[in-house]
Amino acid sequence: DIQMTQSPSSLSASVGDRLTISCRASQSIRRYLNWYQQKPGKAPKLLIYDASSLQSGVPSRFSGSGSGTDFTLTISSLQPEDFATYYCQQSYSTPIAFGQGTRLEI
Amino acid sequence: EVQLVESGGGLVQPGRSLRLSCAASGFTFDDYAMHWVRQAPGKGLEWVSGISWNSGSIGYADSVKGRFTISRDNAKNSLYLQTNSLRVEDTALYYCAKDSDLEYSSGWLDYWGQGTLVTVSS
Repeated sequence: DIQMTQSPSSLSASVGDRLTISCRASQSIRRYLNWYQQKPGKAPKLLIYDASSLQSGVPSRFSGSGSGTDFTLTISSLQPEDFATYYCQQSYSTPIAFGQGTRLEI
Repeated sequence: EVQLVESGGGLVQPGRSLRLSCAASGFTFDDYAMHWVRQAPGKGLEWVSGISWNSGSIGYADSVKGRFTISRDNAKNSLYLQTNSLRVEDTALYYCAKDSDLEYSSGWLDYWGQGTLVTVSS
């Protein structure tokens, strides 16, 4: 089974900061990597699919990159509504796997 | 507008069963695979099970294999999860999620319901 590891597990930042969250797969998953945002008490929301494609309606300050085993989610200028937990997820093979999450705090 | 509404959760004793349901609307249900994903209190997301558009392909996490059964009724636009032999560690919010593809193994989860809470406790 493929394991997904995110770093860091938590992060403190300020409005306007640029930040990057990393996700590493235990083996190559080509570009089958998706990113989700989850706010407290809410369902996850798809941000990025296929490593770098922006889901419709998601602000352009979010971007994704990477292939193989190493991927990144970048937020170019943090907004107050971006403080949430972010998860990566591989869809290369079953069982589907999520990273453990990165909690972004003010 | 895509809507996914889960139901069927509740408080149950260890070893008992529950049947979770997900009512889908706002899209052509039988054009897409579907999933169940759970989240234990204060924890991360865990994929539980997925099913292809025609029920031809089904997969489970090792943690639930042999105890949980996913199914769908395309005529009723509904997804189900039969959960048997429940354990304390199955306590979680169970989300229904729509896949972007016909098959459950290679797409992304583009819409999620609000979840139904399953609590396993004596």
